[in-house]
Amino acid sequence: AQKVTQAQTEISVVEKEDVTLDCVYETRDTTYYLFWYKQPPSGELVFLIRRNSFDEQNEISGRYSWNFQKSTSSFNFTITASQVVDSAVYFCALSEVMSSGGSNYKLTFGKGTLLTVNP
Amino acid sequence: EAGVAQSPRYKIIEKRQSVAFWCNPISGHATLYWYQQILGQGPKLLIQFQNNGVVDDSQLPKDRFSAERLKGVDSTLKIQPAKLEDSAVYLCASSLRPGGETQYFGPGTRLLVL
Repeated sequence: AQKVTQAQTEISVVEKEDVTLDCVYETRDTTYYLFWYKQPPSGELVFLIRRNSFDEQNEISGRYSWNFQKSTSSFNFTITASQVVDSAVYFCALSEVMSSGGSNYKLTFGKGTLLTVNP
Repeated sequence: EAGVAQSPRYKIIEKRQSVAFWCNPISGHATLYWYQQILGQGPKLLIQFQNNGVVDDSQLPKDRFSAERLKGVDSTLKIQPAKLEDSAVYLCASSLRPGGETQYFGPGTRLLVL
């Protein structure tokens, strides 16, 4: 089973539409971290958000918002009033302690969702 | 603050040749990571360094891949000999500490093996 599942491979919307990218994760740890990264056509991974497992408060940053629900192991990402510049691949990732233990964590990515925003 | 630097940005080689990639992390970041990203997939961790020591290299194909971070700053990743399936983007990332901290990524090196 995949640790991070992004079921939507591709999404296409028209500018100004709202869009939600889904992310479901799997872990047995009680302490873990969740991330979203954006990868535009240029290829560089851009950090968007980091949440720890003890903070379920939803977060809003401009047009971006994140909904973290431990009960359903989901960490969904919504873009409000999408713009052409939002077109990119978006990755959800889970950071959990390594099997070797200690304080070292390993980051596992989902397969990504390609978002295309058309003018 | 300067981000993670990588070079070269692009590399084309023939199979069985060798290639090396270089990474300079964000100043002060103790943890450095190398990822492989195959087209259409998410990045996969190859190796993680804490200062100049290896924390995890369980997914590094050690028969052909090697990496080092001798002085705890810059790092190099080498492939020798390269195979067709090594064609991918190689991403370097760094974080302040190893424990679930945010990783910041460099621009990557796109490798094509012919």
